Amino acid sequence: GQNIDQPTEMTATEGAIVQINCTYQTSGFNGLFWYQQHAGEAPTFLSYNVLDGLEEKGRFSSFLSRSKGYSYLLLKELQMKDSASYLCAVRSPGTYKYIFGTGTRLKVLA
Amino acid sequence: EAQVTQNPRYLITVTGKKLTVTCSQNMNHEYMSWYRQDPGLGLRQIYYSMNVEVTDKGDVPEGYKVSRKEKRNFPLILESPSPNQTSLYFCASSPDILYEQYFGPGTRLTVT
Repeated sequence: GQNIDQPTEMTATEGAIVQINCTYQTSGFNGLFWYQQHAGEAPTFLSYNVLDGLEEKGRFSSFLSRSKGYSYLLLKELQMKDSASYLCAVRSPGTYKYIFGTGTRLKVLA
Repeated sequence: EAQVTQNPRYLITVTGKKLTVTCSQNMNHEYMSWYRQDPGLGLRQIYYSMNVEVTDKGDVPEGYKVSRKEKRNFPLILESPSPNQTSLYFCASSPDILYEQYFGPGTRLTVT
């Protein structure tokens, strides 16, 4: 079945840039989602990549390489409010099920 | 306001006592889904529904039931809850499988 890997935790400083990586199995790829989840809250959608390349949305960008089974979320000009978990998700090949990574908990320090 | 609502938000119950967690969306979305979230395991899909009367199992369906009699509602039923179903549950909806999901606020369930 599909397997997604993300780092468990990352720490960065306010104002810096951080890159959160996500790797997945490439067979039957149907697009990759990134969600943000603050502690005790529901996940909220950040980005969707289905083609190779970089998608930019303000301070957040997401990159996809389908041949490498690799994506990253880039957060620029980090703010304290960016402290949250970042979840990577793909659709399980040949199904309508979603598979989420275990999430990367980002701590932004002053 | 476009939203997904869940009730109750918090529930403490005992083993074996049947319960239902309701989920409703007002966005006319086709796809609805239930997830549980546990520390270290992330979000795992329990059941999903592509449309009214069309449901299918996710990765962790054991011990749960769902129904989709109306487009807006997708209740999660635990016929005989057990302590290993203690978790944070999220309902989500999306226009269809290709779009991002909108999540409800979550239901924290404790089974003793």
